[in-house]
Amino acid sequence: EVQLVESGGGLVKPGGSLRLSCAASGFTFSSYSMNWVRQAPGKGLEWVSSISGSSSYTYYADSVKGRFTISRDNAKNSLYLQMNSLRVDDTAVYYCARDRGFMDVWGQGTTVTVSS
Amino acid sequence: EIVLTQSPGTLSLSPGERASLSCRASQSVSSSFLAWYQQKPGQAPRLVIYGASSRATGIPDRFSGSGSGTDFTLTISRLEPEDFAVYYCQQYGNPPKTFGQGTKVEIK
Repeated sequence: EVQLVESGGGLVKPGGSLRLSCAASGFTFSSYSMNWVRQAPGKGLEWVSSISGSSSYTYYADSVKGRFTISRDNAKNSLYLQMNSLRVDDTAVYYCARDRGFMDVWGQGTTVTVSS
Repeated sequence: EIVLTQSPGTLSLSPGERASLSCRASQSVSSSFLAWYQQKPGQAPRLVIYGASSRATGIPDRFSGSGSGTDFTLTISRLEPEDFAVYYCQQYGNPPKTFGQGTKVEIK
């Protein structure tokens, strides 16, 4: 079964850091680009970042550029999002999603709350 | 960046009725690289349509997508109870990927 499972969310103070993880199974992880997508409480979906299968290319939304870093470890079938200088408006459920241009497989999400 | 505008914001319909959801892009979407997702409360989004008109695996044929350029439509021919949800369109032809703000299909 193709599956993505996120972890690492939690409560953090403004200016703090958090590292999210996404464990992939059931498919050849290294063959796919991957995405992080977030959803603020009661709001819509926002693409955050993408990374190519070999990690050669990374892309970021303007809202997180310079603060977030996407990475992956194909040997561990894992995707990561290092989030620094967190702001209150980064509060959201963060999903990892497999990329085919569209996003055909999604994890269940992990919640990040930035609050003092 | 391409801005996607979905309408209406909320669609109130009864089971068995037809639903038509609109997604309009601020500029032409390359090669009809337009997807639709369904999201129910507390759940992750689920891919419904990609390439503007191709159904994702496991999606029933009452769901159909159409359109090109700047105007796209998701149609649900006869609403089943499990279809009441929020639907998002997303374009992936021009970086960055962008989503519409969503249309909620609610039971009337």
